[in-house]
Amino acid sequence: DTAVSQTPKYLVTQMGNDKSIKCEQNLGHDTMYWYKQDSKKFLKIMFSYNNKELIINETVPNRFSPKSPDKAHLNLHINSLELGDSAVYFCASSQGLSGAYSPLHFGNGTRLTVT
Amino acid sequence: AQSVTQLGSHVSVSEGALVLLRCNYSSSVPPYLFWYVQYPNQGLQLLLKYTSAATLVKGINGFEAEFKKSETSFHLTKPSAHMSDAAEYFCAVSTSTGNQFYFGTGTSLTVIP
Repeated sequence: DTAVSQTPKYLVTQMGNDKSIKCEQNLGHDTMYWYKQDSKKFLKIMFSYNNKELIINETVPNRFSPKSPDKAHLNLHINSLELGDSAVYFCASSQGLSGAYSPLHFGNGTRLTVT
Repeated sequence: AQSVTQLGSHVSVSEGALVLLRCNYSSSVPPYLFWYVQYPNQGLQLLLKYTSAATLVKGINGFEAEFKKSETSFHLTKPSAHMSDAAEYFCAVSTSTGNQFYFGTGTSLTVIP
């Protein structure tokens, strides 16, 4: 029943490792996003995909690479993890280009801790 | 560019008291405004959204917000705070294309018993 689900919920890893976070939505939305929330709760958009096409790519290190195999999935791969990557990463979806009043629907987040 | 400003990063109210969380937007076009709530260790949940059909918008859990164009504000209120309202609240605005959202810095609400 979960609308936007992301895995894993917690991710603890060492500097230099590569990790992935997966996201799936069953709402039939055409746009998916990755947000990063820092320790002060500030939410920053990282990427946005509409129907598998990248439409927003904010200033994010190229160690971060999103992949959207279809419009219901948006994964985030991170190479060479750094201490500063520690944060909570949220996946979200919306009807995007189909409706300006369409709100974002969020997953429960992945808490990434880099040691 | 569109943005929202939330005044007050921390708000404390007594249980049963009025909750007022402030949000001002900056937009050169009709805004698409939202309020979200984030409970500890959870994702953001939609409280309410402004759709231009009415200036007073009712949301879940007894919250409502009033759109005031003259003040460029969209403040969130609840007549009587409950302990379960303690959470982080975010105001957000989206673009007219609906594919980009800008969030405020959040307001942490504490409810004192």
